Amino acid sequence: DQQVKQNSPSLSVQEGRISILNCDYTNSMFDYFLWYKKYPAEGPTFLISISSIKDKNEDGRFTVFLNKSAKHLSLHIVPSQPGDSAVYFCAASASRAGNNRKLIWGLGTSLAVNP
Amino acid sequence: EPEVTQTPSHQVTQMGQEVILRCVPISNHLYFYWYRQILGQKVEFLVSFYNNEISEKSEIFDDQFSVERPDGSNFTLKIRSTKLEDSAMYFCASSVSEGRFSNSPLHFGNGTRLTVT
Repeated sequence: DQQVKQNSPSLSVQEGRISILNCDYTNSMFDYFLWYKKYPAEGPTFLISISSIKDKNEDGRFTVFLNKSAKHLSLHIVPSQPGDSAVYFCAASASRAGNNRKLIWGLGTSLAVNP
Repeated sequence: EPEVTQTPSHQVTQMGQEVILRCVPISNHLYFYWYRQILGQKVEFLVSFYNNEISEKSEIFDDQFSVERPDGSNFTLKIRSTKLEDSAMYFCASSVSEGRFSNSPLHFGNGTRLTVT
């Protein structure tokens, strides 16, 4: 089941530069997308989301871009900070009665921000 | 900041034994969930729970699994007869609402690592 794909298992970026994490999906019914961040020994923490009626959502240093025709979304972190080093998960859902009920997750991308 | 708490952090059990994983969701949240992540694999949805009943479950959530909200604060996942393949990190989550196009994300606990031997 590869409905949500994060093709880069890891990414290394210098502090202060931009981090770009990518996610592709195959299910055209997905209409709500989320990014979660996970530190070791902790649960995933919600970062930012976007619905399919938008193509961009920004929250501070974090911006998510959605390209529906390409079934692709990306998370931009700028400037990157060492505390951003974590595993980033892309997740998606198809809204029926609600978005949260069944999130389909990617495998995650491990981001390392080097000082 | 309120958080979802899960106990124990690590549970080791023998195959065939029953286990109960416990969770205390955030107090004003109404929707509760269990997800799991087998080592090296994706996070997978197991079940969602609202108003004292299951609202949705995945194909993973078979008759060996059950959930319960025995009182006003706890939310439990029971595995009746554990199998080796049940070894995974189990995450509990809660949300204020269903989150339909609103900002009601899932808040996750730190997980219980279940090891079945």
